[in-house]
Amino acid sequence: DQQVKQNSPSLSVQEGRISILNCDYTNSMFDYFLWYKKYPAEGPTFLISISSIKDKNEDGRFTVFLNKSAKHLSLHIVPSQPGDSAVYFCAALYAGNMLTFGGGTRLMVKP
Amino acid sequence: NAGVMQNPRHLVRRRGQEARLRCSPMKGHSHVYWYRQLPEEGLKFMVYLQKENIIDESGMPKERFSAEFPKEGPSILRIQQVVRGDSAAYFCASSPAQGSYGYTFGSGTRLTVV
Repeated sequence: DQQVKQNSPSLSVQEGRISILNCDYTNSMFDYFLWYKKYPAEGPTFLISISSIKDKNEDGRFTVFLNKSAKHLSLHIVPSQPGDSAVYFCAALYAGNMLTFGGGTRLMVKP
Repeated sequence: NAGVMQNPRHLVRRRGQEARLRCSPMKGHSHVYWYRQLPEEGLKFMVYLQKENIIDESGMPKERFSAEFPKEGPSILRIQQVVRGDSAAYFCASSPAQGSYGYTFGSGTRLTVV
């Protein structure tokens, strides 16, 4: 039973345009959501997070949106850069429990 | 201030051998989590440990896999009698306390079973 799903395994975007990565979850207990970026042969690195009491969090070029009623969150990257090319994982948790990850979306930003 | 340290980075084992993966958490972190990433898949939770205690091992295969986090030294993920299907990247993360949202991941150990 996948509690966190990323339905798009890959996404290709032109440099300078917006990248939108989507994530859906089923467990209403989740109260904190995170996005991780992963390069090949490296561990996931934290990118941005959002608490369930918010619907938007922005950090530079990265913005995460949370729609609790739809159990959906998205990561927007504007403008996209070639260095953003990586696998992006959505993750969720609630206090006292472990991170649950989605399957990842491979983003390719073309120059 | 070193982050989460995992070693070895790469490990090659023949079928039937044992694999030992080590993880030293960040300084001040007393909670360790192991995740596995199979080829072309996401990260799957395996086990959550505190010092000398296994808190949650619901993601661990029932046989051949074990984990420990002793009072002194790193956390160890041990795989006995490895099979080809164990080939994966194994990631360790640590956090300062239960309920903390601040996970930090290591660079992983890539296990290849030949």
